[in-house]
Amino acid sequence: DAKTTQPPSMDCAEGRAANLPCNHSTISGNEYVYWYRQIHSQGPQYIIHGLKNNETNEMASLIITEDRKSSTLILPHATLRDTAVYYCIVRVGGGNQGGKLIFGQGTELSVKP
Amino acid sequence: GAVVSQHPSRVICKSGTSVKIECRSLDFQATTMFWYRQFPKQSLMLMATSNEGSKATYEQGVEKDKFLINHASLTLSTLTVTSAHPEDSSFYICRIDTMNTEAFFGQGTRLTVV
Repeated sequence: DAKTTQPPSMDCAEGRAANLPCNHSTISGNEYVYWYRQIHSQGPQYIIHGLKNNETNEMASLIITEDRKSSTLILPHATLRDTAVYYCIVRVGGGNQGGKLIFGQGTELSVKP
Repeated sequence: GAVVSQHPSRVICKSGTSVKIECRSLDFQATTMFWYRQFPKQSLMLMATSNEGSKATYEQGVEKDKFLINHASLTLSTLTVTSAHPEDSSFYICRIDTMNTEAFFGQGTRLTVV
């Protein structure tokens, strides 16, 4: 079973920041949080991942709470092309390589003009 | 650029026939690949873990005799849906892990069994 909980859907205005929450209250100490997104009829696209520190790359920022029980993916300036289903995943099996990626239901983000 | 190539992107087959889906690692050697299945309006479900040179590991409820996985080289894993039926119609996706920290997915294969 998936170990994460996300809201099923969210809306965001174009140009504004999109903040997508994720709960992972049973996360283990050596498990990473990964974020992927899936645009209709395509394979999932990697966005970002982290262990306990906040992370930022060219696509997004990942904020992980100090107790690691939840995280937030931030798209700083959402565009229409960011409309997709966003998956928050805890990497089962420990470590940062291999292991199962178990997908939950994700959040369907709709960016509106 | 893409690190995973999945082929075909779409396939339509008749009920009772078999379909082979290929997943290729383009930039590096992959000892492990993963196969997922996704039904409409649903999330991805892990089907099996493909291990180079050995038998695949199947998730509970996935028939290993129906979904044949072959990982004969470090750059290629194949999934064959045998004796396909309409209920096997789905979106099949492979995944490859790099040596650092990222997992990449193929473009997916839309299988329609008629």
